[in-house]
Amino acid sequence: DSGVTQTPKHLITATGQRVTLRCSPRSGDLSVYWYQQSLDQGLQFLIQYYNGEERAKGNILERFSAQQFPDLHSELNLSSLELGDSALYFCASSVAGAGEWGSYEQYFGPGTRLTVT
Amino acid sequence: AQKVTQAQTEISVVEKEDVTLDCVYETRDTTYYLFWYKQPPSGELVFLIRRNSFDEQNEISGRYSWNFQKSTSSFNFTITASQVVDSAVYFCALSGGSQGNLIFGKGTKLSVKP
Repeated sequence: DSGVTQTPKHLITATGQRVTLRCSPRSGDLSVYWYQQSLDQGLQFLIQYYNGEERAKGNILERFSAQQFPDLHSELNLSSLELGDSALYFCASSVAGAGEWGSYEQYFGPGTRLTVT
Repeated sequence: AQKVTQAQTEISVVEKEDVTLDCVYETRDTTYYLFWYKQPPSGELVFLIRRNSFDEQNEISGRYSWNFQKSTSSFNFTITASQVVDSAVYFCALSGGSQGNLIFGKGTKLSVKP
């Protein structure tokens, strides 16, 4: 058990809908990362939050957004869903802070499997 | 640009065989970090090891060992006396000193047959 929790575990929804994925980081970790894993694109970084602020963006679509709340949990919002958004979405957390962003391992949650029909 | 290449898409071995998973990386950073993660059939990503660019010492942890060679930009992973429970997809990843996100390779699917 990594200590990172994600809900829900599975989500099935229709095209055009909006969903929210939730993540709670390990106790003490201020950095939260979101990744998407799909068969064609592999594991891709979407976005990073650090202590409530957006810190870095990767290949995140404009239809997707995220936030990190004062209690450090994070939510990833996916809207106007398309079939191609079907994927496994991971949240990860790390103790890394300013000046040491890449230097610590990230611990991953169990993922949310999104199926868009 | 940063890139991680895992040329072996799938490897199949028989239990107790040794197996090496290759990882080659590209980066212009002088400070960077390399990782290996395991993704068993259950789907979670499990952290195995982190290595920074200044530490080229090889590491051994039980049946697992890692060989980091800056001269060839490689960070290979060897499992000795493989077991069925080692069956999983293994990912090599890279992060730079100034960025936190991981850049993953495509992964190598290891199947260990009894």
